[in-house]
Amino acid sequence: QKEVEQNSGPLSVPEGAIASLNCTYSDRGSQSFFWYRQYSGKSPELIMSIYSNGDKEDGRFTAQLNKASQYVSLLIRDSQPSDSATYLCAVRGSGYSTLTFGKGTMLLVSP
Amino acid sequence: DVKVTQSSRYLVKRTGEKVFLECVQDMDHENMFWYRQDPGLGLRLIYFSYDVKMKEKGDIPEGYSVSREKKERFSLILESASTNQTSMYLCASSLTGRTEAFFGQGTRLTVV
Repeated sequence: QKEVEQNSGPLSVPEGAIASLNCTYSDRGSQSFFWYRQYSGKSPELIMSIYSNGDKEDGRFTAQLNKASQYVSLLIRDSQPSDSATYLCAVRGSGYSTLTFGKGTMLLVSP
Repeated sequence: DVKVTQSSRYLVKRTGEKVFLECVQDMDHENMFWYRQDPGLGLRLIYFSYDVKMKEKGDIPEGYSVSREKKERFSLILESASTNQTSMYLCASSLTGRTEAFFGQGTRLTVV
């Protein structure tokens, strides 16, 4: 059984701070890693994808991948109240087309 | 932009009814998925399809069936709706390979 683990939160940060969201996964053969943002009552939307070890930056978002530690993280710089949402980590294993999702971490950014 | 469209945003059905949830994507994606999402349980895969007329069970297929007669359309069928099938249902599609999945807007189904 492939598993993806996230702290449920809520993670509370003040506006302007860096929010750090973490995810671990059990399938060592996993190849592709994604972060989705989900606002309350809405469907998940993709914000970052990462495929190789290291950092990938896109605007205020940075995804970090460490395959040896089976660990993925998402950093949000200069957090805004509009970033308040649940963040889902998703992992695609080797040879599979299905994604396994974590249960998500709720982020609350206070003004 | 990829567009995945689910036929209903909200749906209320009675116990025992046969329920059809429809999903259409416009990007010629090979793969389509049905998930349900419940508080504390996250997203769980019900069924997926790699190609027309092809289907595979996900983690929680009991009580559900699917149909994929055309590449762009993937239907989820609740043969006899029960109250424990009250949930948010999410359809998604993707290309084969490493690429991400794109989600529809979701259908919140209530079975009374």
